[in-house]
Amino acid sequence: KAGVTQTPRYLIKTRGQQVTLSCSPISGHRSVSWYQQTPGQGLQFLFEYFSETQRNKGNFPGRFSGRQFSNSRSEMNVSTLELGDSALYLCASSPNRAGVLYEQYFGPGTRLTVT
Amino acid sequence: DAKTTQPTSMDCAEGRAANLPCNHSTISGNEYVYWYRQIHSQGPQYIIHGLKNNETNEMASLIITEDRKSSTLILPHATLRDTAVYYCIVRPGTTSGTYKYIFGTGTRLKVLA
Repeated sequence: KAGVTQTPRYLIKTRGQQVTLSCSPISGHRSVSWYQQTPGQGLQFLFEYFSETQRNKGNFPGRFSGRQFSNSRSEMNVSTLELGDSALYLCASSPNRAGVLYEQYFGPGTRLTVT
Repeated sequence: DAKTTQPTSMDCAEGRAANLPCNHSTISGNEYVYWYRQIHSQGPQYIIHGLKNNETNEMASLIITEDRKSSTLILPHATLRDTAVYYCIVRPGTTSGTYKYIFGTGTRLKVLA
């Protein structure tokens, strides 16, 4: 099976702009989670989607949003970018059945640099 | 806050067993122990998980104490490619109630030639 894919792999944006990142989960996986990783804060959970519904959410401002499509592909959006949003954004998919949590499989990440 | 405590760093000689400890003294009865590792600048990789019994797969073994307050990940024959940050996390097995995905700071394992 193909792994989790994320596009683009690298991105440079300017403060105030908005950005959309894409994630394609492993075939058959219905749960997609997003994480932000920075040297200072480590790996932080952003949100999780299952069957097109946000099932869980971390402690991030409303500038961070996401969605999941009927084919389980997911996008996350960050509006009004700040310098502190520079990070590696990771997507993870999981072979969840409704109500059950399984292990997560991570993509390679999107490296976002805000200047 | 992370529900697990791990040493910041460890060294291991190539070919020897690497034993990575994790303390999770506040673990709940329905929470599993998961281990992931992250090789520099790559996405984390799932290694193994368990509830209360010891587990083994092709990558590693997981030893969970009887009181479930701590566990040890064992890489039986460490290689240079095992150099990575290893994360121990606890998560419930179901989505009932609230649950968080908290990775903590992990243990930086360096395998020495």
